[in-house]
Amino acid sequence: KNEVEQSPQNLTAQEGEFITINCSYSVGISALHWLQQHPGGGIVSLFMLSSGKKKHGRLIATINIQEKHSSLHITASHPRDSAVYICAVRINNDMRFGAGTRLTVKP
Amino acid sequence: DVKVTQSSRYLVKRTGEKVFLECVQDMDHENMFWYRQDPGLGLRLIYFSYDVKMKEKGDIPEGYSVSREKKERFSLILESASTNQTSMYLCASSFEGLGNTEAFFGQGTRLTVV
Repeated sequence: KNEVEQSPQNLTAQEGEFITINCSYSVGISALHWLQQHPGGGIVSLFMLSSGKKKHGRLIATINIQEKHSSLHITASHPRDSAVYICAVRINNDMRFGAGTRLTVKP
Repeated sequence: DVKVTQSSRYLVKRTGEKVFLECVQDMDHENMFWYRQDPGLGLRLIYFSYDVKMKEKGDIPEGYSVSREKKERFSLILESASTNQTSMYLCASSFEGLGNTEAFFGQGTRLTVV
């Protein structure tokens, strides 16, 4: 079983919809990252968080340490948000990655 | 403003060839990483380096080696390419160690071994 589980694996939404992507992990962590991978392959770091909530533009990331769960929300989704979203956690001195959620936003 | 650059976007190599994947970063980062990404598996760490000439094995180092002769450059070497090394390879760098700080990724190299 992967230490980092993301859901859903694939998500299709209409432009303007509110999107939620979930990440659950099985062990204690010191930090959690949300990454965005564009169709061309490049990866961009969106958030790094260890508690609470962070917001950047239309993106919001939350984490619940007790429940070992994080969510990435996208408000007013747009076709340019179409990408693979990856959750990664720092465990001891190591990083573990989820398999990613492929988001497609249709106009 | 490109920060991490991988030498090739796409590569096709023959089985048994020696393959070099190059990565350069311009942020003066100490730490550099090589990952491979396969469908359904997420990113898996092959090797990382925390200083010039230093290297550490990641989760899947078999069949790979690395070289870090200069701080800005981290090379991944496939000694004898095999078809099961067909994958997307991603290089990353960060100021601190794994996951401590934001990591910057290259654009990826999609390698096909035939």
